[in-house]
Amino acid sequence: GAGVSQSPRYKVAKRGQDVALRCDPISGHVSLFWYQQALGQGPEFLTYFQNEAQLDKSGLPSDRFFAERPEGSVSTLKIQRTQQEDSAVYLCASSPYTRTDTQYFGPGTRLTVL
Amino acid sequence: ILNVEQSPQSLHVQEGDSTNFTCSFPSSNFYALHWYRWETAKSPEALFVMTLNGDEKKKGRISATLNTKEGYSYLYIKGSQPEDSATYLCARYGQNFVFGPGTRLSVLP
Repeated sequence: GAGVSQSPRYKVAKRGQDVALRCDPISGHVSLFWYQQALGQGPEFLTYFQNEAQLDKSGLPSDRFFAERPEGSVSTLKIQRTQQEDSAVYLCASSPYTRTDTQYFGPGTRLTVL
Repeated sequence: ILNVEQSPQSLHVQEGDSTNFTCSFPSSNFYALHWYRWETAKSPEALFVMTLNGDEKKKGRISATLNTKEGYSYLYIKGSQPEDSATYLCARYGQNFVFGPGTRLSVLP
């Protein structure tokens, strides 16, 4: 497709369950970002990839959060042993080159942890 | 200012009114300021990227200015239309991206 896609769009998990969220960036985009958006707040930076290299993971809230982009295209954000406070919308964005370029966002995955 | 702040938090205007809102951010270690428009149930859509002090950008009825010395950016909408109703987010890139909480605009027909 022409834009950034994310799957699933909605995910309900029981507390303690592991989840994996997928992001398909725009083809050829070098940079990829993951954000977490809690209700009523702006997106919060989680991590940044340049191609397959994870250059910044300073925003990941705990070691239960793990992201990868092994071939420099599709990325997966994995959350282990989910907690209720992990409930949020997880946004993925890609940009053509550097992290200062315009970012193109996917529709997000809404995660609800019961 | 330590964080990215936006004001007002929400705004209701009548169709045809012009409006503006503010993004305030730390001025040190500044690289770029982004504006995004986010309609409910859609993806955030990029409006502008500005990097230089004094930058002004325009896209149709929407324009933005940037003051990096004092750490603020204004977004202006001229002649608001109902389809302008959305949340407008600014994001500052310094060491990493920090988004503001957004201004929710409702344009009443």
